[in-house]
Amino acid sequence: EAGVAQSPRYKIIEKRQSVAFWCNPISGHATLYWYQQILGQGPKLLIQFQNNGVVDDSQLPKDRFSAERLKGVDSTLKIQPAKLEDSAVYLCASRSTASGYTFGSGTRLTVV
Amino acid sequence: GENVEQHPSTLSVQEGDSAVIKCTYSDSASNYFPWYKQELGKGPQLIIDIRSNVGEKKDQRIAVTLNKTAKHFSLHITETQPEDSAVYFCAARSNNAGNMLTFGGGTRLMVKP
Repeated sequence: EAGVAQSPRYKIIEKRQSVAFWCNPISGHATLYWYQQILGQGPKLLIQFQNNGVVDDSQLPKDRFSAERLKGVDSTLKIQPAKLEDSAVYLCASRSTASGYTFGSGTRLTVV
Repeated sequence: GENVEQHPSTLSVQEGDSAVIKCTYSDSASNYFPWYKQELGKGPQLIIDIRSNVGEKKDQRIAVTLNKTAKHFSLHITETQPEDSAVYFCAARSNNAGNMLTFGGGTRLMVKP
């Protein structure tokens, strides 16, 4: 089966600009996660979707971050406006009961 | 919420030696403990996992042990090879947290030829 697809792979923006990341999970995976991985640290959950509904967004900085999964398939994570501390790798993962969690390769964001 | 601590942060071994990475967790309701390998520029890849009803699991050169009483679990890699060099993450999942994974801080393993 195809893996979790993410784009872009890399993005460099200036602080206060906006940016969007896209994720297409494995076909049939109802649960989708966005994680933030700061250099040298483990991934930290930002938001979890079950189909097109939000299950947990308690760690999402909602003043600047937003995410949607309108049709319950692909998802978009947006940051507006970006801060220097948002520089990180943004990982998307999807899960099914049968196959567990699968991560994409991530989008590396650099805010300058 | 769940908190996962991982040690050591870096580990250097000679090729052929064994490597052990240890993790502790805080939520006694956690019941699933995966280990991930992350190579440069890639996402984490599952290498082995263990559920709370099992004390040990082995897959070729990799084994994981779980002590639920002490709330700690460990990854054991035997006969290490240079291609084992990567960052390894442990994680824990609690039913109390919507099946989300909480990750440890990672261990950078370097296997010297």
